[in-house]
Amino acid sequence: TQTVSQSDAHVTVFEGDSVELRCNYSYGGSIYLSWYIQHHGRGLQFLLKYYSGNPVVQGVNGFEAEFSKSDSSFHLRKASVHWSDSAVYFCAVIGGSNYKLTFGKGTLLTVTP
Amino acid sequence: ETAVFQTPNYHVTQVGNEVSFNCKQTLGHDTMYWYKQDSKKLLKIMFSYNNKQLIVNETVPRRFSPQSSDKAHLNLRIKSVEPEDSAVYLCASSLGGSSYEQYFGPGTRLTVL
Repeated sequence: TQTVSQSDAHVTVFEGDSVELRCNYSYGGSIYLSWYIQHHGRGLQFLLKYYSGNPVVQGVNGFEAEFSKSDSSFHLRKASVHWSDSAVYFCAVIGGSNYKLTFGKGTLLTVTP
Repeated sequence: ETAVFQTPNYHVTQVGNEVSFNCKQTLGHDTMYWYKQDSKKLLKIMFSYNNKQLIVNETVPRRFSPQSSDKAHLNLRIKSVEPEDSAVYLCASSLGGSSYEQYFGPGTRLTVL
């Protein structure tokens, strides 16, 4: 069975800073990874996904993530954050024939003006 | 732009009552989901339907039952609510299975007194 962990519960940065939100997974076979964002009081919104091919994937609003099989990671990055990026970010994984999307615990990103 | 609609937004009720939440998607998707998000933002899949057929049924109490009249609608009924049912219930849909991008509704917040 696949698992996903987000080691940082809360990350605080200043507007204009770069940020990296960490996600690590465990699964031995082919894997599907994605990131979602949840603004306060709202539903989740899809940011990006990886299944195969180029390990660096681009998403909406300047976000990108890099898949690393050796590190079992799929970290999310943004070069210059805006205050509107403040939200909870969820990493999610599907492994093999398990059709369920398993979410990490989420990382709250706070962008200070 | 909202394409997954949930009603009601909030519901407050007492232990033992029955509640029903509605979800409708206008995206023409084949698969719909119900997730439970607790007070710590932890997300867990409850049910998944594909073309009106149940494909994922996680270990949830039997008082929870999904109801699908067509592939655009997936309702959730809870018979005899318990205090631990207090949470946000998120409905989502996707074009295919879980590995497709999922579109989420705004959620229904249930408070059980």
